Amino acid sequence: EDQVTQSPEALRLQEGESSSLNCSYTVSGLRGLFWYRQDPGKGPEFLFTLYSAGEEKEKERLKATLTKKESFLHITAPKPEDSATYLCAVQALNSGYSTLTFGKGTMLLVSP
Amino acid sequence: DAGVIQSPRHEVTEMGQEVTLRCKPISGHDYLFWYRQTMMRGLELLIYFNNNVPIDDSGMPEDRFSAKMPNASFSTLKIQPSEPRDSAVYFCASSRKGNEQYFGPGTRLTVT
Repeated sequence: EDQVTQSPEALRLQEGESSSLNCSYTVSGLRGLFWYRQDPGKGPEFLFTLYSAGEEKEKERLKATLTKKESFLHITAPKPEDSATYLCAVQALNSGYSTLTFGKGTMLLVSP
Repeated sequence: DAGVIQSPRHEVTEMGQEVTLRCKPISGHDYLFWYRQTMMRGLELLIYFNNNVPIDDSGMPEDRFSAKMPNASFSTLKIQPSEPRDSAVYFCASSRKGNEQYFGPGTRLTVT
């Protein structure tokens, strides 16, 4: 069974204080690892897809990296508007190239 | 370009009543997914369709839950009869060829 564990469950940062969120996964053959951002009262918003170990992707203050067992979402000099819950999900090769298994997320709060 | 559209945004009903949630996927997407999100269990996949055909409904909790996709631009998730433990946020998502999924704003269901 595919499993995704995210840590920490919650993280509080001061504006400008860089940090990283962790996503550990167990999957029988990884097709892709996805990062989403979810604001309160809204649906998850797609951020990145990573397909192979060593791959990195960046968007503004966010950078996602991937190894064979985990992914990190690095947040550089965060701003209060980066406050949200960040979700990680894996797509297995045997999932019919479709279904995602989600972690429970990391709730990030950035204080001014 | 319009995103995934869901209705209603909020639904409050009494135990035993029938509830119907509606979803319009992004035009051109061939996969449609229904999820349920709770604090305890996070995001759970209930059922998904490919080209309007249900592919995997193993996440549907009970026979009280049913889903249909009569055409490429419309899907429903029905709960009959509803129970308090069905209270959650229900999301619809769509994707093209099993790639990244785009989520709707969700329907917050409260069953009293």
